[in-house]
Amino acid sequence: EAQVTQNPRYLITVTGKKLTVTCSQNMNHEYMSWYRQDPGLGLRQIYYSMNVEVTDKGDVPEGYKVSRKEKRNFPLILESPSPNQTSLYFCASSLRPPYSYNEQFFGPGTRLTVL
Amino acid sequence: DAKTTQPTSMDCAEGRAANLPCNHSTISGNEYVYWYRQIHSQGPQYIIHGLKNNETNEMASLIITEDRKSSTLILPHATLRDTAVYYCIVTGTASKLTFGTGTRLQVTL
Repeated sequence: EAQVTQNPRYLITVTGKKLTVTCSQNMNHEYMSWYRQDPGLGLRQIYYSMNVEVTDKGDVPEGYKVSRKEKRNFPLILESPSPNQTSLYFCASSLRPPYSYNEQFFGPGTRLTVL
Repeated sequence: DAKTTQPTSMDCAEGRAANLPCNHSTISGNEYVYWYRQIHSQGPQYIIHGLKNNETNEMASLIITEDRKSSTLILPHATLRDTAVYYCIVTGTASKLTFGTGTRLQVTL
């Protein structure tokens, strides 16, 4: 089944403890992206990747890192999480970038709480 | 990318057609109109997209006005499972989808 998977789905952690949220897609998509969703602010893009080894900042990249060593995986890294990073995170992928007029597939989300 | 305006919320009776409007008066010639929906806190789900012709798929129909300044998403026979937030997105050159606040559709018995 074609899908985007994220792990973990739920995570409660403490300030400063490094964590990684994994994202994987099995559709051979070139484009991958991370969004966060907060009440009243909607979905905002954190980072995106056009292809392997190509990543770029989205609208809210501060406090996050990403890597794209393989086409299928696009992990989101929080080196030193803070409470303002408490949010619902979504990974997305598509065959080509959004400006190429194609459908994006979203993962099920990761609900992160930083105490 | 062009800005979109949608009503905050709408209600629809189950079995009836749900018509969700979207204004995008600043849309430019190469920008497409996309619709996604988000059921509760699940990941957004693609519904349909179009440029200037009306489009239909197994989920919905998309009607775009001739001047392309507005569009309507039509769910022909809404069910309770269609209760969700519906996002109208216009994109052309950006490297991301810009989600606004969307329309919260409540389908009732």
